[in-house]
Amino acid sequence: GDSVTQMEGPVTLSEEAFLTINCTYTATGYPSLFWYVQYPGEGLQLLLKATKADDKGSNKGFEATYRKETTSFHLEKGSVQVSDSAVYFCALGRMNRDDKIIFGKGTRLHILP
Amino acid sequence: GAVVSQHPSWVICKSGTSVKIECRSLDFQATTMFWYRQFPKQSLMLMATSNEGSKATYEQGVEKDKFLINHASLTLSTLTVTSAHPEDSSFYICSATHPQGADTEAFFGQGTRLTVV
Repeated sequence: GDSVTQMEGPVTLSEEAFLTINCTYTATGYPSLFWYVQYPGEGLQLLLKATKADDKGSNKGFEATYRKETTSFHLEKGSVQVSDSAVYFCALGRMNRDDKIIFGKGTRLHILP
Repeated sequence: GAVVSQHPSWVICKSGTSVKIECRSLDFQATTMFWYRQFPKQSLMLMATSNEGSKATYEQGVEKDKFLINHASLTLSTLTVTSAHPEDSSFYICSATHPQGADTEAFFGQGTRLTVV
């Protein structure tokens, strides 16, 4: 079945550092790929998404490119801020079919001032 | 975007009692809602798919008699944890999908922290 694997956390970085959180997936066909963010004490929010191969999703300075050849959707940001401290979930879904979303385990990110 | 609301946001109950968690789509109709459980160390696991007017579809390993799901209307799904035990303590999150332009997007409730003592 479908699955998502993302790097284990926690990840601790200094402010303005470059961020990469790796994510790979296993799925048949062409699922949509997502990154969700969970700030402390809150629910999940969609950060960005890509619906087909080579698509790049971007939002709030974060980017991720749908790479079918490597089955990856790594999250990157050039210069992180303290306010980016949160848990990040990579996920895949088959929207407009069964609408299920399968999540990775999440990566906790700590940004130090 | 669309709004999904969960209630309560936290609950403490005694072992052996039942707890009901509500998930509402506030400004749209959701024929399908999803219930997730967030375990310690962040992993988020799909428990079941709640279908309006029919039985829920449970993921493998989830006890349907323990986690009762009812989706009686297009805006409300409920999850009842029956005969709760301390190992049921967790963070439960619901979601519903809604069209956003040409795509479909999932919207999540704020979650319910259940503590069984």
